[in-house]
Amino acid sequence: DAKTTQPPSMDCAEGRAANLPCNHSTISGNEYVYWYRQIHSQGPQYIIHGLKNNETNEMASLIITEDRKSSTLILPHATLRDTAVYYCIVRPHNNAGNMLTFGGGTRLMVKP
Amino acid sequence: SAVISQKPSRDICQRGTSLTIQCQVDSQVTMMFWYRQQPGQSLTLIATANQGSEATYESGFVIDKFPISRPNLTFSTLTVSNMSPEDSSIYLCSVGPRGQNYGYTFGSGTRLTVV
Repeated sequence: DAKTTQPPSMDCAEGRAANLPCNHSTISGNEYVYWYRQIHSQGPQYIIHGLKNNETNEMASLIITEDRKSSTLILPHATLRDTAVYYCIVRPHNNAGNMLTFGGGTRLMVKP
Repeated sequence: SAVISQKPSRDICQRGTSLTIQCQVDSQVTMMFWYRQQPGQSLTLIATANQGSEATYESGFVIDKFPISRPNLTFSTLTVSNMSPEDSSIYLCSVGPRGQNYGYTFGSGTRLTVV
């Protein structure tokens, strides 16, 4: 799986958009970008994934650059409950037989 | 997505003893994954558990230390054997996605403290 680079930490004001970047310059053509988050004392939670088009669901939006070498996860109106570690993972599309490889992630602190 | 029940949620154990962690899934799954998360660190895969065969361990993890059982398609256990304080971590189980629009599901984790 391709390696990802994320800033170790970020702050965001409550109610503002949180934009979390991820660099994945070695991504290959069959690899998707996945985002998970881990709230304190819980297991990781799936957020969203995409290949090359921008994606949106009830939790977040995912913006992938045209060259696919980087992406941004957007939480449009961050709340205190969005404080968590966010992991960007690139890998071939959902294959239930393959494990996930976690990098360091970004620790997002949403402040009042 | 799948629902995983993991227990115990936490335990404090004496060094030299063993602890068995259980994960129950609400549906049949081919593979289950066991991770370790050391304090302040990211998740590291311990092993992949297939039903009916021996688990496949990642580099740095051995069966004698982390024996895994997978008696059926909905259940698995991880044992942390002969514990030392360095084994103090959160241990999590995980299963793969059910459909195209879901990701992996994780248990809530077992917070182990070895004293």
